[in-house]
Formats: sequence, C-alpha cells, structure tokens
Amino acid sequence: GESVGLHLPTLSVQEGDNSIINCAYSNSASDYFIWYKQESGKGPQFIIDIRSNMDKRQGQRVTVLLNKTVKHLSLQIAATQPGDSAVYFCAENPGGGYNKLIFGAGTRLAVHP
Amino acid sequence: DAGVTQSPTHLIKTRGQHVTLRCSPISGHKSVSWYQQVLGQGPQFIFQYYEKEERGRGNFPDRFSARQFPNYSSELNVNALLLGDSALYLCASSLGRDTGELFFGEGSRLTVL
Repeated sequence: GESVGLHLPTLSVQEGDNSIINCAYSNSASDYFIWYKQESGKGPQFIIDIRSNMDKRQGQRVTVLLNKTVKHLSLQIAATQPGDSAVYFCAENPGGGYNKLIFGAGTRLAVHP
Repeated sequence: DAGVTQSPTHLIKTRGQHVTLRCSPISGHKSVSWYQQVLGQGPQFIFQYYEKEERGRGNFPDRFSARQFPNYSSELNVNALLLGDSALYLCASSLGRDTGELFFGEGSRLTVL
C-alpha cells in the first residue's frame, strides 16, 4: 500500500506499553476536536472526539485529554498493539454549522513486538 | 455494509487536463465532504455538500468544483490541472451536517505529469 506521512514525527513504542500522542491546535474558537487513525493505503478512520466543555473522554483503550488553556490535545492508547501502527491526526472543527475539519500534520506510531 | 466508495482509485493526467472524481456515500448519509491529502501532510478541506447544496468551501481555486446528486453521491471536478494538484483525494460522508465523525473512503490517487 501507499505510505502516508513519509517524513512525519515518529513515536516508537513496545507492544503492550502505553502510547501518548500530542497535538497543538491553532484556533481558540474551535470547540470540537477529533482524533483520526490512517493506515497505509486507507482513508482516515475516526477514533474519538471531545467537545470543549470537557477535558477528558475515554473510549475503548483510548483516552483523549484537552487543555484549552494551552491549546493542547493528547491521545493516550493503552496496551498498544501492532495493529495500532498507523499515522494519527488530530483535527479541530472551528464551527460555523458544517463539518469542515482542520487536520494537523500527523504523528506516525510504530509498535515493535 | 458498504462503506464510502470512490472511483477511480488511481489515475494519471497531464498538465492542463481535466479530471472528475466520484464518490458514493454510506447509505443514509446526506453529507459528503472532499479533502485533498498531499503526501506527508494531513487532509485539507475542499468542499462540503449537504442535501445537495454546498455548505462549505476551503481555500482552493475556482478550478475546483463539486456537486451532489439526488442520491447523495458526489463528483469533484478539477480543471486545468497543475503539477501541484497531485495528491490523494478523499471523500467522506456523515449523517449530520456538523459532526466530526466522518467516514472516509480510500481515496483517488491523482498524479499530474
């Protein structure tokens, strides 16, 4: 398949460890944030979202943290598995009544056995 | 259940030509968005259509146009192709007009020579 993000920052973790992927967003007016996972040769896949009235939200093995003060978002993946290897994008929705998403540059997660 | 389908998957054009990319959303989804993803970067918003009307437009020249049909499928057209238009073009559908949970297709890889 095609390679996504040839020159992206890479986070390398051991299988079973926890992973933390960080993201800084730009627009103070954004009130809705989303994490996507993109595997090679595929389109992005929704992972989890969070609105600005929350600072933490948990899903299955994933947790998103939002710090509005410093405009920072993080995605925590518990017990990282080889299938988690992909490029991860944070995205912000600046609002306006439609789903225009502004994606970050992405982070490649490499999981080693 | 069928996901978002896009065609063609790959195509090669020369500068100055025109291209039409097609997208079929998930059944029941009324919103279709188009994104451009240059290698090594996050997707960039081009258009959103909801209920057959344009609801949002990104920072792309007028050479880019789109439309949505009564069955909610969509076409993206690009005229007077430039080398810089080479990218993966992603289509995403969603239930609502203002949601971050987009369902992406696998994209159409356009190469302009």
